[in-house]
Amino acid sequence: DVKVTQSSRYLVKRTGEKVFLECVQDMDHENMFWYRQDPGLGLRLIYFSYDVKMKEKGDIPEGYSVSREKKERFSLILESASTNQTSMYLCASSRGLQETQYFGPGTRLLVL
Amino acid sequence: GIQVEQSPPDLILQEGANSTLRCNFSDSVNNLQWFHQNPWGQLINLFYIPSGTKQNGRLSATTVATERYSLLYISSSQTTDSGVYFCAVEDSGAGSYQLTFGKGTKLSVIP
Repeated sequence: DVKVTQSSRYLVKRTGEKVFLECVQDMDHENMFWYRQDPGLGLRLIYFSYDVKMKEKGDIPEGYSVSREKKERFSLILESASTNQTSMYLCASSRGLQETQYFGPGTRLLVL
Repeated sequence: GIQVEQSPPDLILQEGANSTLRCNFSDSVNNLQWFHQNPWGQLINLFYIPSGTKQNGRLSATTVATERYSLLYISSSQTTDSGVYFCAVEDSGAGSYQLTFGKGTKLSVIP
């Protein structure tokens, strides 16, 4: 079974803090994704990565950056957290870009 | 971009009932997936189904790509089926490999 893990289930940060969200997958998948989920807006893609050190912007990349130094790990970085980044963050991975995506349990981030 | 509409937005079922969830999309797709999000937030992939029909236990799905819709059937529903069901598609003309998610159908199965 594919396992995607995220570093925290719940996180509380203050405005202006730098925030790191980590995601690890154990199935040697090429592709990894970061989404945020908000009530009424559904899931929206922030960034994805199709290889180590490669990244592509999704629909809402503003205010975020990502890092993929190793194949199994994909980090989402909020350089200076703001209250409008309070959300549920979901990481996913897939073998091929057009193949089944497997999701982690999510991180609920609250920015005060 | 591609539009994805799911219906109904909310559904309440008695345990044991059957249901059909619908996903309409505005353009041709080469990737369509159905997901279930449980009450704790975990998203589980149910089907990868850009066309045709698949079955997995009490769940089955059909995508009619030429008519731009997909259906998810749940038979003999159980309380553990509760949660939100999402349809997600990739626009075959966009070349972006991004999935666009619908807003979901919230299913509540009551004993």
